[in-house]
Amino acid sequence: GAVVSQHPSRVICKSGTSVKIECRSLDFQATTMFWYRQFPKQSLMLMATSNEGSKATYEQGVEKDKFLINHASLTLSTLTVTSAHPEDSSFYICSGGGGADTQYFGPGTRLTVL
Amino acid sequence: DAKTTQPTSMDCAEGRAANLPCNHSTISGNEYVYWYRQIHSQGPQYIIHGLKNNETNEMASLIITEDRKSSTLILPHATLRDTAVYYCIVRVGYRDDKIIFGKGTRLHILP
Repeated sequence: GAVVSQHPSRVICKSGTSVKIECRSLDFQATTMFWYRQFPKQSLMLMATSNEGSKATYEQGVEKDKFLINHASLTLSTLTVTSAHPEDSSFYICSGGGGADTQYFGPGTRLTVL
Repeated sequence: DAKTTQPTSMDCAEGRAANLPCNHSTISGNEYVYWYRQIHSQGPQYIIHGLKNNETNEMASLIITEDRKSSTLILPHATLRDTAVYYCIVRVGYRDDKIIFGKGTRLHILP
């Protein structure tokens, strides 16, 4: 299947700082990518749809000014968690459409805010 | 909301076939059944998908009932590495269609 990478795999930051997470499609081009977050023992929750060359679309209840998404190229989408707080600590996962009809997921980024 | 219903957890003995059921009684004619799994602290892994015919690949088999209201994922010879949460998802078969995850089935493979 298609390959999606994320960087970093884990990050620890202080409260109030901003953290950028990169999502790359390594062997396909993605005009659309998706960002999810997952709290312990819970399922993945869709946060937003990242659109190449245009604004992201956010799910209800997700603060667009806090979770900034940039999709500058067909292989890279970034999620920036601004002014992070401990409640933003979570597992963040991205996905992209590889092939004709399937989404492939990155390995995830573990964010811990102290 | 997720369009599927799955058991919360299941056990299976190592080496035996694991049969994971999924109900999707409100599936539309243009929607596919997809299966993903998530091993602890990793991103979800695509397993298989189908529209109405049974499908098989190197990982698993997917059996879809004739009325398409339910399906079963079969792992033919389960190993300890198959311990994961398995998600049954109904979505249009277009690559940029978003995926909404339900709670999935936590499969425990017993040695």
